[in-house]
Parts: sequence; structure tokens; C-alpha cells
Amino acid sequence: AQSVAQPEDQVNVAEGNPLTVKCTYSVSGNPYLFWYVQYPNRGLQFLLKYITGDNLVKGSYGFEAEFNKSQTSFHLKKPSALVSDSALYFCAVRTFKAAGNKLTFGGGTRVLVKP
Amino acid sequence: DAGVIQSPRHEVTEMGQEVTLRCKPISGHDYLFWYRQTMMRGLELLIYFNNNVPIDDSGMPEDRFSAKMPNASFSTLKIQPSEPRDSAVYFCASSPGAQGSNQPQHFGDGTRLSIL
Repeated sequence: AQSVAQPEDQVNVAEGNPLTVKCTYSVSGNPYLFWYVQYPNRGLQFLLKYITGDNLVKGSYGFEAEFNKSQTSFHLKKPSALVSDSALYFCAVRTFKAAGNKLTFGGGTRVLVKP
Repeated sequence: DAGVIQSPRHEVTEMGQEVTLRCKPISGHDYLFWYRQTMMRGLELLIYFNNNVPIDDSGMPEDRFSAKMPNASFSTLKIQPSEPRDSAVYFCASSPGAQGSNQPQHFGDGTRLSIL
């Protein structure tokens, strides 16, 4: 079974400060990990993924995420947040063997960046 | 690349009416997924297709829901009869590659459905 936990429903951060959105996962086998962002009235947009290799993954809009196998975590980070980063963020996981390449999504974390 | 296209973007209808949601996946993508998003339940996978064939519909909430994919470029999700609790945002997503592919799913902008 696959599962994802995003422990924070909301994260508040001041513009220019570092942003971190937490994600932990549980799978049997090696994980494929994904981050998506959802802006109001829009679909989920792919930000970045970890498949294998370097534990630090860089993605769109200046976001990066760090894979930590021992802690089964894949936290999303941005060094300097922008007001325009305010959105809903989803972490997702699956494995190579997941039937149909189905993703398991976390419950989402709302990010509010204040000017 | 046009992305995943869904129509209509908004639908308001009365309880008991038939509702049909439409999706055009990205050309060449082998998988198509239908999701439902609500505040209470978050993002739920309803059904997915591989090469136009329904593979897993275990997430479809009731027999009132049905989905088809008559060809590689079109899918529908139908609710008949509709009920107020079906009100949600419905997303279609597609992804390329064979089983085990590490490619991400690409989402449409959804259909916001309100059943009065």
C-alpha cells in the first residue's frame, strides 16, 4: 500500500523568507515522488519529481525538494518565497510496480505568503 | 502543446438531471484518469483507463457514475441521476509511457459541478 502525509494544513510565511512544505511517505519498494501546485480555479501543475539519483531535485519556479530515504520524507523548499507562491501544494507517491502508474496524493498544504 | 482540455468549466444543474463531463487528453498519452476534489475528501481517483480500456473503477462512488473512452482523444464521465452530494470539482489527467513509467500526470483545469 502507498500513503502520503502532509502534516500541515496551512503554512504562513513572509515574502522573502524561506518556504518549506513537509511530506512523508510510505511505500513498499523504491518510491517515485512528485510535487504539484494548484492555483485557484486551476488544475494541478507538476513542479518536480524524484525518481533516482541526486537527493536534491530542482523544479519549476525556483522550487526544490530533498529526498531523505531514512526519514521517508520529501520536503518541498524555496529559498525566498513570493506572494505569487500562495497556492495549494500536493505531494504524491507511487512505485514502479504501482498498477496503472496510479499516484497516491497527500491531503494538500495551503501556502499563504504575506507581503 | 494544448494540455488536457476539459469541458464544460462550470456546470450548474438541478438534482435528478444527467450530467456529462468531457475530457481530451494530451495526444500520445496512454493513461487517462478521472479525479474528484472536495473540501471534505480531498482528491479522489474515480477511474483510470489504459489505451482506452477501463482498468480500475473501484473509486467510482455509485452506479450513477459511469465513464467511457471511445477513442484515444476523448473521454466522458457521466452522472445519472445527479444528486447535490455530487457537487465537486472533477479533474481529468493523462500521462504517457508504459507501466512503470516515471512520467508525471498532467491535469486539466477541471469542471466545477454544482447540483442544486
